[in-house]
Amino acid sequence: NAGVTQTPKFRVLKTGQSMTLLCAQDMNHEYMYWYRQDPGMGLRLIHYSVGEGTTAKGEVPDGYNVSRLKKQNFLLGLESAAPSQTSVYFCASRPGLAYINEQFFGPGTRLTVL
Amino acid sequence: RKEVEQDPGPFNVPEGATVAFNCTYSNSASQSFFWYRQDCRKEPKLLMSVYSSGNEDGRFTAQLNRASQYISLLIRDSKLSDSATYLCAALASGTYKYIFGTGTRLKVLA
Repeated sequence: NAGVTQTPKFRVLKTGQSMTLLCAQDMNHEYMYWYRQDPGMGLRLIHYSVGEGTTAKGEVPDGYNVSRLKKQNFLLGLESAAPSQTSVYFCASRPGLAYINEQFFGPGTRLTVL
Repeated sequence: RKEVEQDPGPFNVPEGATVAFNCTYSNSASQSFFWYRQDCRKEPKLLMSVYSSGNEDGRFTAQLNRASQYISLLIRDSKLSDSATYLCAALASGTYKYIFGTGTRLKVLA
């Protein structure tokens, strides 16, 4: 099993450009999450999904959109990138079972917006 | 006040020492807690889950104090390889959202 994978690993964008980050998991997990991590800020939840076809806003959703068309994939879109979106983005997933709460993280995507 | 707070450190300790970190939470509805280890520029990896009073795994012990609303992580016999940032996270009952602290940095010195 590959676990949670993220594509791309690195990206540099210019202000105003758009891009999509892909998260894929092969563990048949129900829940998936997108976080951003900035120095001194910890992990902050952008959006999450509790199942195929569902999405919900997290703590810092502005400027991002997401889609979960397939259970194994969770896409994070930036429509018009801003320098404030320079960050490391982590995707995570967890099973849908109530008694298993542990999240599993992908390796991250380092995004720089110039 | 942040919902989950941690002392950022760094905690500099010699090899073999015992070190403890605390993590305080403000949401009394939080039911599940987690300690993650994060190495520089890497993803967080789960170290321990804490659902009741505590958990132990080898040199690592986590304790939960609901009355004072904090969890602690104790590392005994520190190794150089324990140097990392330790993140704590809380999950409130009936929710799907995890709240993370900003992390505590540990440096184990030879």
